[in-house]
Amino acid sequence: EPEVTQTPSHQVTQMGQEVILRCVPISNHLYFYWYRQILGQKVEFLVSFYNNEISEKSEIFDDQFSVERPDGSNFTLKIRSTKLEDSAMYFCASGPGPNQPQHFGDGTRLSIL
Amino acid sequence: AQSVTQLDSHVSVSEGTPVLLRCNYSSSYSPSLFWYVQHPNKGLQLLLKYTSAATLVKGINGFEAEFKKSETSFHLTKPSAHMSDAAEYFCVSWYSGNTGKLIFGQGTTLQVKP
Repeated sequence: EPEVTQTPSHQVTQMGQEVILRCVPISNHLYFYWYRQILGQKVEFLVSFYNNEISEKSEIFDDQFSVERPDGSNFTLKIRSTKLEDSAMYFCASGPGPNQPQHFGDGTRLSIL
Repeated sequence: AQSVTQLDSHVSVSEGTPVLLRCNYSSSYSPSLFWYVQHPNKGLQLLLKYTSAATLVKGINGFEAEFKKSETSFHLTKPSAHMSDAAEYFCVSWYSGNTGKLIFGQGTTLQVKP
């Protein structure tokens, strides 16, 4: 069964550095998402992406964050000038339509030191 | 605003006994609801979904959930727990609109004792 893959599984970065989290969604899916889960808290929506543009973003998703689908297969989340509070598990998801169940990757654990 | 509340942060059962994980939703209309499961160091796997067709929804691994509009509940059940069911379970609502944004409950950790 096709699956969403995320790399790396764990990323350790110094505060202030830029980090790029990578995802390969399921190939025939059209909707892409990033969520994050800070340790001990709920899974939170960050951003949705369709037709090569952001369709919705949360208030968390400020100018520090950006997403890109550079080559038709990868879907990346870039975090500029990372802060300690960016430490979290980041999940990528994809779906065939906006009201269809989303398929999640295994997540990238981001640790900011 | 839409929200999802999981009433128990931690549930412990013995192997072979029933499982009940509780979820209440808040919405001005009938939402689409899901249960996802997360095993340690793994991603979120869809267990089942409710999209207003049938109120009793059957999912994978013997789980099912019943949508009760009068109680605004969508509790997850399984008749007999297995050790492999130990995981984190999330009740999730699909947000209205055309972007597919999901709203997660806080999660319930299911412990299964031998």
